Amino acid sequence: DIQMTQSPSTLSASVGDRVTITCRASQSISSWLAWYQQKPGKAPKLLISKASSLESGVPSRFSGSGSGTEFTLTISSLQPDDFATYYCQQYNTYWTFGQGTKVEIK
Amino acid sequence: QVQVVESGGGVVQPGRSLRLSCAASGFTFSTHAMHWVRQAPGKGLEWVTLISYDGINKYYADSVRGRFTISRDNSKNTLYLQMNSLGAEDTAVYYCASTDSGSYRDAFDIWGQGTMVTVSS
Repeated sequence: DIQMTQSPSTLSASVGDRVTITCRASQSISSWLAWYQQKPGKAPKLLISKASSLESGVPSRFSGSGSGTEFTLTISSLQPDDFATYYCQQYNTYWTFGQGTKVEIK
Repeated sequence: QVQVVESGGGVVQPGRSLRLSCAASGFTFSTHAMHWVRQAPGKGLEWVTLISYDGINKYYADSVRGRFTISRDNSKNTLYLQMNSLGAEDTAVYYCASTDSGSYRDAFDIWGQGTMVTVSS
């Protein structure tokens, strides 16, 4: 099974900060990686697919990069609406989520 | 608009069974592979199971294999999850999900609002 490990688990940041979340796969997944945002009591929302492809309607301050086993999600300038939990997911072999990264207000 | 709506959750005793449903609309259900994903209270997302568009291929997470069964009725645009031998570890919000392309190898951009399953005596 492919394991996905996110870091950090929690991130404290201020509005306007540049934020980076890392996701590592236990084996190569090429670019079959997605990033989701989830707010309390809501379903996850797809932000990025294929490691770096921004979904329609997602603000351009979100970006994704990486391939193989190491990936990053970057928020270039954190906005109040961005405080949430973020998950990576591989879909190369079956489907596995990372444990999540909570972005909280500093 | 594209929508999936889960139902059937509730409180069930350990060892009992429950069946969840997911009603789809706004897209061609019969051409889309469908997933169930769950989230225990305060925990992360866990993929549970997938069924192919035609119902022939099914895949399960190790944690539910042998206890849960996924199925679909394309004439009713509905996905099901039969859950047997439930334990406390199955307590979670269960989401129905799919991909815009309908393909296995794609990110999940269709999600329902979830239905809560609580296993408790």
